[in-house]
Amino acid sequence: ILNVEQSPQSLHVQEGDSTNFTCSFPSSNFYALHWYRWETAKSPEALFVMTLNGDEKKKGRISATLNTKEGYSYLYIKGSQPEDSATYLCAFNQAGTALIFGKGTTLSVSS
Amino acid sequence: DAGVIQSPRHEVTEMGQEVTLRCKPISGHDYLFWYRQTMMRGLELLIYFNNNVPIDDSGMPEDRFSAKMPNASFSTLKIQPSEPRDSAVYFCASSFTGYNTEAFFGQGTRLTVV
Repeated sequence: ILNVEQSPQSLHVQEGDSTNFTCSFPSSNFYALHWYRWETAKSPEALFVMTLNGDEKKKGRISATLNTKEGYSYLYIKGSQPEDSATYLCAFNQAGTALIFGKGTTLSVSS
Repeated sequence: DAGVIQSPRHEVTEMGQEVTLRCKPISGHDYLFWYRQTMMRGLELLIYFNNNVPIDDSGMPEDRFSAKMPNASFSTLKIQPSEPRDSAVYFCASSFTGYNTEAFFGQGTRLTVV
């Protein structure tokens, strides 16, 4: 059974703090790792899709890294803002499979 | 494109009734996924299609659940008979090529079975 683990489950930070989350996935037969941002009452939206070991992606204050050999990815948010409050989902797939999602990390940013 | 369209947005039904959820994927996408969101299990994959053909339905919880994709622009997820434990948000998503491109999600259908 393919399993994606995310930690922490939730966290609360102050505006301006930088933070990071972890996604762990099976390292065998890796194909792609996705990060999604999910705001309350909306649908998940893709942030990054990474396929190569050592990949680093950046979008504004948010960045992600990928280590396929050891099976983990980090998502970093620099200088958190209240609008960053959301659930961040990690999803992975092996060749020939659909995306398997973790349960997400729920971030709350206070002003 | 209007994105992935799901209907209805909300459904409240009585236990034992049949429920049909609908999804229109983004035009040109050849993969369609049905997921279920619950507090306990997070976002679970139920079934997915490639070019209208079901590829993996191992996530479908029971025989009460069935899904079809009669053409490239329409899919249904049916629950018959429905039970209170089926209450969840059901998401449909579509993607092009499926494996290393992002999935686009619909707004979800919130199902409540009383």
